[in-house]
Amino acid sequence: DIQMTQSPSSVSASVGDRVTITCRASQDISFYLAWYQQKPGKAPNLLIYVASSLQSGVPSRFSGSGSGTDFTLTISSLQPEDFATYYCQQANSFPLTFGGGTKVEIK
Amino acid sequence: EVQLLESGGGLVQPGGSLRLSCAASRFTFTSYAMSWVRQAPGKGLEWVSTISGSGGRTDYAESVKGRFTISRDNSKNTLYLQMNSLRAEDMAVYYCAKAAGSGTYHGMDVWGQGTSVTVSS
Repeated sequence: DIQMTQSPSSVSASVGDRVTITCRASQDISFYLAWYQQKPGKAPNLLIYVASSLQSGVPSRFSGSGSGTDFTLTISSLQPEDFATYYCQQANSFPLTFGGGTKVEIK
Repeated sequence: EVQLLESGGGLVQPGGSLRLSCAASRFTFTSYAMSWVRQAPGKGLEWVSTISGSGGRTDYAESVKGRFTISRDNSKNTLYLQMNSLRAEDMAVYYCAKAAGSGTYHGMDVWGQGTSVTVSS
């Protein structure tokens, strides 16, 4: 199985900050990586697919990059509604696997 | 608006069974793979199972293989998860989710609201 390791597990940031979350796959997954945002009590929301494509309706302050084993989600200027938990997910092969999550908290 | 609506969760004793349903609307159901993803209380997301659009291919997490069965009725636009031999570690909110594109390579772009499964005596 492909293991997905996210870091950091949590980050404290202020509105307007640039936030970067990384995700590392235990083997090459090409660019088949998705990023999700989840708020408490809600279902996950797809932000980025195939590593760098922005899902329709997602603000442009979100961006993704990477290929192979190393990937990054960047929020260019953190907004109040962005405080949430973020997950990466490899979509290259079954079993599909998620990272452990990164909680973005208010500093 | 594209929508998924789960039902069927509840309280079940260890060793018991439960069937979850997910009713889809406002998209061509047969064109998309569908998945179940669960989240234990206070924990992260865990993929459970995926079924192809035709229903001809199914995949399962090792943790549920042999106990859970995913299926779909394309005439009713409904996805199912039959859960047998339930264990305490199966307790979670279960989400159904639609593949974002052809196959599962583009992630999951539509999720249901989740249905809660509690396994306890």
